[in-house]
Amino acid sequence: DIQLTQSPSFLSASVGDRVTITCRASQGISSYLAWYQQKPGKAPKLLIYAASTLQSGVPSRFSGSGSGTEFTLTISSLQPEDFAIYYCQQLKSYPPTFGQGTKLEIK
Amino acid sequence: EVQLVESGGGLVQPGGSLRLSCVASGFTFSDHYMDWVRQAPGKGLEWVGRIRKKANSYTTEYVASVKGRFTISRDDSKNSLYLQMDTLETEDTAVYYCARGGPYSPMDVWGQGTTVTVSS
Repeated sequence: DIQLTQSPSFLSASVGDRVTITCRASQGISSYLAWYQQKPGKAPKLLIYAASTLQSGVPSRFSGSGSGTEFTLTISSLQPEDFAIYYCQQLKSYPPTFGQGTKLEIK
Repeated sequence: EVQLVESGGGLVQPGGSLRLSCVASGFTFSDHYMDWVRQAPGKGLEWVGRIRKKANSYTTEYVASVKGRFTISRDDSKNSLYLQMDTLETEDTAVYYCARGGPYSPMDVWGQGTTVTVSS
């Protein structure tokens, strides 16, 4: 199975900050990577797919980049509603594994 | 409105069985692969399995930890997805989500989840 390692696992930041989360794959996955946001008690929400394509309706302050084994999710200016847990997921091979998550907390 | 609604969760003893359902609305269910994803209490997301569409012979894939115990099926005439869970273990305790997927595609629509608790 392909392992995904997110860093950091916890991130404390303030409204207006620019933050970056990294996802590293144990083997190359081309651009078959998605990012999800999950808030407490809610289902995950798709933010980005194909490593850098913004899902319809997702604010443009979210962006993704990378290919191969290293990927990043960037939030350009944090808003109060962005404090949540973020997961990456590889879609290159079965099983489509998730990273362990990055919890973004308010400083 | 595109929507998925799960049902069927509950408390079951180890070794027991449970069948989850997921009803889709607002899109052509039969055109899509469908997935099940679970989340144990306080833990991350784990993909459970997938069923492809009719054009792909309704073939299925499963994560190793549930292979042989869980079975995914669908009824396109009822816009419904199912997860039959047998020989349940305490480690299967989780919120189970159904989601719309696709080949090399992300899960772009999710249900609200249904909770399964395996405990004696």
